[in-house]
Amino acid sequence: DAGVIQSPRHEVTEMGQEVTLRCKPISGHNSLFWYRQTMMRGLELLIYFNNNVPIDDSGMPEDRFSAKMPNASFSTLKIQPSEPRDSAVYFCASSLDDRGKNEQYFGPGTRLTVT
Amino acid sequence: AQSVTQLDSQVPVFEEAPVELRCNYSSSVSVYLFWYVQYPNQGLQLLLKYLSGSTLVKGINGFEAEFNKSQTSFHLRKPSVHISDTAEYFCAVSYTGRRALTFGSGTRLQVQP
Repeated sequence: DAGVIQSPRHEVTEMGQEVTLRCKPISGHNSLFWYRQTMMRGLELLIYFNNNVPIDDSGMPEDRFSAKMPNASFSTLKIQPSEPRDSAVYFCASSLDDRGKNEQYFGPGTRLTVT
Repeated sequence: AQSVTQLDSQVPVFEEAPVELRCNYSSSVSVYLFWYVQYPNQGLQLLLKYLSGSTLVKGINGFEAEFNKSQTSFHLRKPSVHISDTAEYFCAVSYTGRRALTFGSGTRLQVQP
């Protein structure tokens, strides 16, 4: 299995631009999670989906952030407009849902730099 | 609020020495507990997990952890570390019925020759 795939691995953009991060979960997994990692705040859950439905988006910082999961094999996290404080590593993870018992498999992350 | 505390942000240790990375969580309900490792510029990888049963859990790379319900702790140990164990280690908690994980702030293990 290829594991969780994220693209791009690195993204550098200017403030005000739209950024789209992509994730392909492991085939057969039905839960998908988006996390953000920064030095100041550590690992934060942004949003998670179960069976393609957003379950908890309370971690999404503000309306500039949106996430979609149109099918079981693809999800996007969009930031519009981007700001320098959005600079971070964004991780996607997937798991086979068993009410939190199963491990989450993480992708390699997307390092976002907003100048 | 549910939280996970990793008391040490950095732990320097010499090669072949034992190490313990501490983790405490706040909870009044049942939990599932995990330790993840993150090598530089990589995603997180599961080391071990506790769901139920024996409180001593063994994981990959010679690591083990002990669940202590009364102290709400889940400390990670290894009897003899290697240079290759240098990485960041995260403790995480899944509260029963909630799929998402709450992560601690991480502990950077630095193994010196």
